[in-house]
Amino acid sequence: GAGVSQSPRYKVAKRGQDVALRCDPISGHVSLFWYQQALGQGPEFLTYFQNEAQLDKSGLPSDRFFAERPEGSVSTLKIQRTQQEDSAVYLCASSLGTGLFSPLHFGNGTRLTVT
Amino acid sequence: DQQVKQNSPSLSVQEGRISILNCDYTNSMFDYFLWYKKYPAEGPTFLISISSIKDKNEDGRFTVFLNKSAKHLSLHIVPSQPGDSAVYFCAASANNNDMRFGAGTRLTVKP
Repeated sequence: GAGVSQSPRYKVAKRGQDVALRCDPISGHVSLFWYQQALGQGPEFLTYFQNEAQLDKSGLPSDRFFAERPEGSVSTLKIQRTQQEDSAVYLCASSLGTGLFSPLHFGNGTRLTVT
Repeated sequence: DQQVKQNSPSLSVQEGRISILNCDYTNSMFDYFLWYKKYPAEGPTFLISISSIKDKNEDGRFTVFLNKSAKHLSLHIVPSQPGDSAVYFCAASANNNDMRFGAGTRLTVKP
């Protein structure tokens, strides 16, 4: 497909479980971003990759959150020992790259519910 | 630290009239500003952007105005259509790095 693809679309996890969320960016997009969106709020920045390099992870809320993009394309956001406050929509976005005023293109998100 | 603020959580407008959505920011390093539109159960969709070297950008029914001295931008939609009903997010970035979003404004356009 031409857009950003995220899977799964919905995920229900019991508190304490580990989860892995996948993002397939638009082909050729250098930059990849993860955002967390709580109900009624705007997307909150989590982390940013340029190709395979994670240039900014300042938004990750705790060391239970880990993201990777080993080959500079697909990215995975992993949350270990999930807590109820992790319940949110996790959005992935990609853009052409640095040095350009390029908008982010978002996927439809993964809605995580921790019970 | 809310660097991008949308102080109106909702706005209701009659079809055919102008919709004006407002956004304020605090970080003077922001040099690129965008508006996104979001329908339920979908990711935000890019609508229009403006760089800090401009004060106005127009695309069809959508115009974004930037007032750097006031650290304020606005989105004008004219004429408004029922299909414009959605949540609108203002976003800003510095040096094309991480993008910060406002909390969104829910626009309802009534037929």
